[in-house]
Amino acid sequence: EVQLVESGGGLKHPGGSLRLSCAASGFTFSDYSMNWVRQAPGKGLEWLSYITSSSRNIYYADSVKGRFTISRDNAKNSLYLQMNSLRAEDTAVYYCARDFTGLRSSGFDIWGQGTMVTVSS
Amino acid sequence: QSVLTQPPSVSGAPGQRVTISCTGRSSNIGAGYDVFWYLQLPGTAPKLLIYGNNNRPSGVPDRFSVSKSGTSASLAITGLQADDEGDYYCQSYDSSVIGSRVFGTGTKVTVL
Repeated sequence: EVQLVESGGGLKHPGGSLRLSCAASGFTFSDYSMNWVRQAPGKGLEWLSYITSSSRNIYYADSVKGRFTISRDNAKNSLYLQMNSLRAEDTAVYYCARDFTGLRSSGFDIWGQGTMVTVSS
Repeated sequence: QSVLTQPPSVSGAPGQRVTISCTGRSSNIGAGYDVFWYLQLPGTAPKLLIYGNNNRPSGVPDRFSVSKSGTSASLAITGLQADDEGDYYCQSYDSSVIGSRVFGTGTKVTVL
């Protein structure tokens, strides 16, 4: 079964750091680009970051650029999101999502169950 | 920061047809990038529903269909069922920022 499982969420103070992990199984992880997407409580979805299969290309949304770092370890079938300088507005459920890219297509075909991050004093 | 605009809610009786619009810009839908649609059932992660030219993942019924014109796209649900109730999001690529994927504001579908 194709599966993504996030972990590492929790409660952090503003200014703190947190590292999220996403474990992939059921497919050849090293063949796929990956993404992080978040959803604040009661709000919509927000794309955060993208990384190619080889880590050669990495992109970020403006809202997290300079504070968050995406990375991956293909040997461990794992995706990561290092989150620094956390703010209250970073409070959200964080999803990892497998990338689906075609000639004119860029979407997400597999999603994890999400991990909750709460930033509060 | 949603770049794609959807109606906040739509509703219909069982068996009826409802549509959800998704309005974008010349840098995303209008540039010819495929539109993806996701369904998020209460308390669960989003799931890919349909994308591009009516491409559906295995298990998604053909009651769901899409269309696109100019800078807008639409999702139609025919034969509305109780388990179609949830939040629907459109999504596309936006060329104004390299690598940027953008989501719609989301639409809550209620089955009356």
